[in-house]
Amino acid sequence: EIVMTQSPATLSVSPGEGATLSCRASQSVSSNLAWYQQKPGQAPRLLIYGASTRATGIPARFSGSGSGTEFTLTINSLQSEDFAVYYCQQYNNWPPLTFGGGTKVEIK
Amino acid sequence: EVQLLESGGGLVQPGGSLRLSCAASGLTFASYAMSWVRQAPGKGLEWVSIISGSGASTYYADFVKGRFTISRDNSKNTMYLQMNSLRAEDTAVYYCAKDLRNWAGAFDIWGQGTMVTVSS
Repeated sequence: EIVMTQSPATLSVSPGEGATLSCRASQSVSSNLAWYQQKPGQAPRLLIYGASTRATGIPARFSGSGSGTEFTLTINSLQSEDFAVYYCQQYNNWPPLTFGGGTKVEIK
Repeated sequence: EVQLLESGGGLVQPGGSLRLSCAASGLTFASYAMSWVRQAPGKGLEWVSIISGSGASTYYADFVKGRFTISRDNSKNTMYLQMNSLRAEDTAVYYCAKDLRNWAGAFDIWGQGTMVTVSS
């Protein structure tokens, strides 16, 4: 099973600032990595797939990078609606499909 | 617009059974694999099971293998999760999720979730 590790667990950011979230895989997942955003009481929403491709309707301030075992989600100029929990997920070697533990982006 | 609507959650005693449904609309349902993903209260996301577009292929997480059964009825645009021998640790919101393609393993559309509580 591929273990996904996200850091930090919590990130405190002021509105308008940028944020960098990290995700590490226990073995290579090539570029088969997705990022999801989840707000309280809501279902997750796909942000990025293929490590760097934005999903339909996702603003350009969200960008993904990386391959192999190290991945980054960058959010430029955080808006109020961006404060949420973010999860990475690998879909290269499954079953099982595995998620990271999440990074909570909170208002500083 | 693609929509997924789960139903069937509720309170069940340990050892009991429950069947969840996921009704899909706005897509060619049989063209996509579908998954169940769960989230225990205050915890992260956990993949449970996947079924191919035709229903011929299924996989399960180890922690539900032998207890849960995933299925689909493409004539009704509906996926199911039969959950037997339920345990307290199965308590979670259960989401159905549409595959990005057929059998990619990433999820581009999610339902709103249905809560399953296993307690005496």
